[in-house]
Amino acid sequence: SAVISQKPSRDICQRGTSLTIQCQVDSQVTMMFWYRQQPGQSLTLIATANQGSEATYESGFVIDKFPISRPNLTFSTLTVSNMSPEDSSIYLCSVGGENQPQHFGDGTRLSIL
Amino acid sequence: AQSVTQLDSHVSVSEGTPVLLRCNYSSSYSPSLFWYVQHPNKGLQLLLKYTSAATLVKGINGFEAEFKKSETSFHLTKPSAHMSDAAEYFCVVSENTGFQKLVFGTGTRLLVSP
Repeated sequence: SAVISQKPSRDICQRGTSLTIQCQVDSQVTMMFWYRQQPGQSLTLIATANQGSEATYESGFVIDKFPISRPNLTFSTLTVSNMSPEDSSIYLCSVGGENQPQHFGDGTRLSIL
Repeated sequence: AQSVTQLDSHVSVSEGTPVLLRCNYSSSYSPSLFWYVQHPNKGLQLLLKYTSAATLVKGINGFEAEFKKSETSFHLTKPSAHMSDAAEYFCVVSENTGFQKLVFGTGTRLLVSP
């Protein structure tokens, strides 16, 4: 399975600032996914990123708050904009092929003060 | 619409005893079903998957799960718990075709005592 690296692994940020999370895969993949895991909660899909097209956002998530880039088949970024304490979560990226299960990175643990 | 219900938020077992983590699903389509494990400060690791082949699925680390369509269940079992099994376990459902959009259960925390 693909090896997925996320950076940073954790961060503490001030409210009102923005943070960009990077996701690097060791092989070319068509689809990359971004999830949020709020404290003590399950995972919720933020958006699906396909190389060469705009990301597709799930209900409750908007591009202005969570802009995503997907410049090539091995890399994607998620930006958490204008952060508030409610954005304190684990953010995870995953990759999956057609008819294949998704594999996850170790996540970015984000705390907002 | 698809959904997953994990019936227990916490399960406590003693080392060496069997593990049972319960999961029921709802799906309008022939589903794919997965179990993922999350150890503290780690991402999610795939334990096993069901994709309409054999109903008894064997995974890593001695875990297995049985797909029961009549009961809409996909319970995870292990004959003998190890201390290293202590973690959060997620039951996940998706459509059985294409690029699979995952729907997660709320998770079950497995506690293993010596």
